[in-house]
Amino acid sequence: DGGITQSPKYLFRKEGQNVTLSCEQNLNHDAMYWYRQDPGQGLRLIYYSQIVNDFQKGDIAEGYSVSREKKESFPLTVTSAQKNPTAFYLCASKGTSGRENEQFFGPGTRLTVL
Amino acid sequence: QKEVEQNSGPLSVPEGAIASLNCTYSDRVSQSFFWYRQYSGKSPELIMSIYSNGDKEDGRFTAQLNKASQYVSLLIRDSQPSDSATYLCAVNWMYSGGGADGLTFGKGTHLIIQP
Repeated sequence: DGGITQSPKYLFRKEGQNVTLSCEQNLNHDAMYWYRQDPGQGLRLIYYSQIVNDFQKGDIAEGYSVSREKKESFPLTVTSAQKNPTAFYLCASKGTSGRENEQFFGPGTRLTVL
Repeated sequence: QKEVEQNSGPLSVPEGAIASLNCTYSDRVSQSFFWYRQYSGKSPELIMSIYSNGDKEDGRFTAQLNKASQYVSLLIRDSQPSDSATYLCAVNWMYSGGGADGLTFGKGTHLIIQP
């Protein structure tokens, strides 16, 4: 059963803590993305990765970090430097053949800072 | 600055009628255009993609693209209450120097289908 999984579904963080959000895909997709969505807003790109061991900053990378050690996994760390981390975090992936440029999303992680 | 604009709504449409959702974008270089449906509290679901001028039909959905006017729309025929959701327009663009592509999203149009 192919797809994108994200965990946890809900995450609560105290101020000053770093937290890591998991994203895994078994679609054999090369490219993976992290977006953030705030209430009533569109999605904004945080980081993306086209290939293992390579990733690039998106529009709002400050206060976030990522790694891409495996093709299937693209975890996102929200650091204490992120000033307003409460948001809905969405991971997406995209294949390189067939359905050009189509990105598919995981179920998301809702992060709340207490 | 690449921008995607949508009317936030809510757009209220009677059941069985045609819902028309519109989107404009600022970057003439954009080549790929997408419509996502997002139910409250859920992640976006891709429902249509369109790459060339004209219409593309898939079931009750029709996407229309006019690159000269930088305009893309989504028509939903025979609207059902289950179509009530927020519809996000997304435009593909290339990050300069990186070769990778990302999506710029509009803020979405909230659609309500009235039974």
